[in-house]
Parts: sequence; structure tokens; C-alpha cells
Amino acid sequence: QVQLQESGPGLVKPSETLSLTCAVSGYSISSGYYWGWIRQPPGKGLEWIGYIDHSGTTYYNPSLKSRVTISVDTSKNQFSLKLSSVTAADTAVYYCARVGSISWFDPWGQGTLVTVSS
Amino acid sequence: QSALTQPASVSGSPGQSITISCTGTISDVGGYRYVSWYQQHPGKAPKLMIYEVSNRPSGVSNRFSGSKSGNTASLTISGLQAEDEADYYCSSYTRSITVIFGGGTKLTVL
Repeated sequence: QVQLQESGPGLVKPSETLSLTCAVSGYSISSGYYWGWIRQPPGKGLEWIGYIDHSGTTYYNPSLKSRVTISVDTSKNQFSLKLSSVTAADTAVYYCARVGSISWFDPWGQGTLVTVSS
Repeated sequence: QSALTQPASVSGSPGQSITISCTGTISDVGGYRYVSWYQQHPGKAPKLMIYEVSNRPSGVSNRFSGSKSGNTASLTISGLQAEDEADYYCSSYTRSITVIFGGGTKLTVL
């Protein structure tokens, strides 16, 4: 079955760039679907960040668009998230997920907590 | 883009049915059949329960059902069980080619 696993630093300093990678197993990214990122600040709700397809077509949350870059590496079967100029408000659990019909997310990775602090 | 509107909390007794609403606009919920629902237990990743308004993924209990009327989508859970106690989120595709989530609803099984 399809599995996703996030990886990256758990602590990022303010004004720096948050970088995460999502490794996909059990399915080839090149075969289709979009692949997305969602985040959840501690004790709060879910926020869509954006998604990408195997060819590199991307769609981003307008509120984050100026700071977000999502890229895909089909040779490694993984996709990545970069969020620049982070502040404490970007502290959250970051999830990656496969996207169906560019609208629903399944399955999800286990999530990784990223804390923005000096 | 504003979040979809969900009640902050709902509750029910074991065996009862409950419904969680998710209200948006014609630009999202009302304009497309791309509404989905997620269940999230504490400390766990969300789990897809309903997609495209009323479809259940393989392995999801048929006690969960979804519907939509106008700009409001609904998730109904019948025969409530203790394990259903969790947070539930709706989401929708939007006219701007984005996705928005609801604020979440905490379900308490009494």
C-alpha cells in the first residue's frame, strides 16, 4: 500500500527557510495524482499549503504563496516543501499526503513537528 | 480564503446518530462535488472518511455517510461508538484551484 514519510529539521530559526521532504513508497509519483502538504499548528485546525503533480505543476495557498515552493524528484520518488522567512506562526505539524481529484488527501504521512524558535 | 464553517463541538450517546455540518459558499462547497471529511484522533494524522461528498474509501465503516445541499455539506455518523470520539474536519476544492478546510468539530461520545 502507499506510504508517505516526512523528514527534516524539527527546529528552524526565525527568518530562515523551513525544508521538508516526503518520501513515497508503494506507488510511483510518475504514475499520477497530485502530492500535497498540509499543516496544523498546535491545538488548531488544518491548513492546506499546496500540491504538485509529477510534471511539476503546482498550486499554492494564496496566503502562503509568496513564501512557498513545492518541488518533486521523480528519480527519488519524493517531493519537498520549502517555506521561507519563517516566524513563530509557522510552528506546526507538517503533513504530506497523496491528493485525489485535486481535492481529497489519502493517505497521509505521520506528520512532523517543526518549531520556529531562536 | 475563509475557512469553511463547522460547529465547534457535537455530542451523542452510544448507538445514536449525529450530524456535523460544513458551510461554505457557491465558490467552494456549493459549486463542486469535491467535499471531503477527515477524522483525527489525538496525536494522530487525519484519516479520510468521505470523499467527493458521499463516497466512502475502502475500509471505512458504512456508519459514516456524507451529503450536500446547496452550500452546506454534512457528515452523519450512525450507531455512535466510543471509538468515533475524535475531531472531524471537512474540506472543499474551490474556484481558485485551492483547497480549504473547516475549523474542525470535536465529537464527544457521552
